[in-house]
Amino acid sequence: NAGVTQTPKFQVLKTGQSMTLQCAQDMNHNSMYWYRQDPGMGLRLIYYSASEGTTDKGEVPNGYNVSRLNKREFSLRLESAAPSQTSVYFCASSEARGDRGTYNEQFFGPGTRLTVL
Amino acid sequence: QQQVKQSPQSLIVQKGGIPIINCAYENTAFDYFPWYQQFPGKGPALLIAIRPDVSEKKEGRFTISFNKSAKQFSLHIMDSQPGDSATYFCAASIEGNTPLVFGKGTRLSVIA
Repeated sequence: NAGVTQTPKFQVLKTGQSMTLQCAQDMNHNSMYWYRQDPGMGLRLIYYSASEGTTDKGEVPNGYNVSRLNKREFSLRLESAAPSQTSVYFCASSEARGDRGTYNEQFFGPGTRLTVL
Repeated sequence: QQQVKQSPQSLIVQKGGIPIINCAYENTAFDYFPWYQQFPGKGPALLIAIRPDVSEKKEGRFTISFNKSAKQFSLHIMDSQPGDSATYFCAASIEGNTPLVFGKGTRLSVIA
């Protein structure tokens, strides 16, 4: 099993350009997440999808959109990139089913390092 | 408002020392407290987790201590090794279907 995979690994954009970060998981998990990691700021949740067909905003959703394409795939789109979106982006998935007693371990992908000039 | 506060930001210990990383939370509904370990260039990975029905959990050299009344929990690394040098994140959630809330991370360096 590959776990959580992300593409691309690195990307450089110019201000105003758009792009989509791809994420896929092969663990049959219900929930998927997008985080950004910046120095000294930890991991901040951008958007998440508790189950196929649902998406919700996290702590820092402005400037991003997401699509839960199917149970395996969850993409993050930057419509008009800004230098403030320079960051490392992580996708994660977990089995959480919405009922108490479930184990909420999140499995992370290797990350996408994005630079916006 | 930061829901999980982590300290210190960075920590340097000698090999064999016992680094301690602390976290405090506000939301009393949190009932799942994991620690994640991240090596440079990699994604975070679950290290150890605890639920509030116990005050301590050990897995190998890693121990979580949990103080429900103080709303605090900490990670202790016994006999630390240079290979433990990484960034450590505490987190919290309401078990089930809520996202994890992460602390800002502690960069640990273990020097030989």
